[in-house]
Amino acid sequence: QKEVEQNSGPLSVPEGAIASLNCTYSDRGSQSFFWYRQYSGKSPELIMFIYSNGDKEDGRFTAQLNKASQYVSLLIRDSQPSDSATYLCAVNTQAGTALIFGKGTTLSVSS
Amino acid sequence: DAGVIQSPRHEVTEMGQEVTLRCKPISGHNSLFWYRQTMMRGLELLIYFNNNVPIDDSGMPEDRFSAKMPNASFSTLKIQPSEPRDSAVYFCASSPGTGFEQYFGPGTRLTVT
Repeated sequence: QKEVEQNSGPLSVPEGAIASLNCTYSDRGSQSFFWYRQYSGKSPELIMFIYSNGDKEDGRFTAQLNKASQYVSLLIRDSQPSDSATYLCAVNTQAGTALIFGKGTTLSVSS
Repeated sequence: DAGVIQSPRHEVTEMGQEVTLRCKPISGHNSLFWYRQTMMRGLELLIYFNNNVPIDDSGMPEDRFSAKMPNASFSTLKIQPSEPRDSAVYFCASSPGTGFEQYFGPGTRLTVT
């Protein structure tokens, strides 16, 4: 059973701090990795994807991938109350199959 | 560009009734996915299509659920007969291909009483 694991949280950080969201996956053959943000009552929204080991930065967001440790993370710098949402990690285990989603981590940013 | 379109946005029906959910994927996308989301079970993949062909329907909970994709721009998810435990938010998503990033529609909130 291929799995994607996330801590459900809630993860609470003060405004302006760095929020670190983590995700582990079981299939070593996984090829691509995605982070989605879902506000309460809304649909998941793609915020980042990463294919290669290392870091990928986009504005205040940085995705980090370590395939040897089967670990992907999302860092949010200068966290804002508007970042409060559930963050879903999704993994593609092999070409031609659907993404496998984790159950999400709830982030709460307090002002 | 228009995103994934779903209808209806909300559906309230009585147990035993037939429910049909509709989805229009992003133009040019080859893959379409149906998900169900509940607080207890999170986001569950029900079925997905590639080039209008169903690839994996192992997530469809029961024979009461069926899905079709008659052409590249339209898909339906039907529940017949509906039961209260089917109450959930149903999302449709499309992708340039399986394994690539998926874009979600706004969802249909289904309530079966």
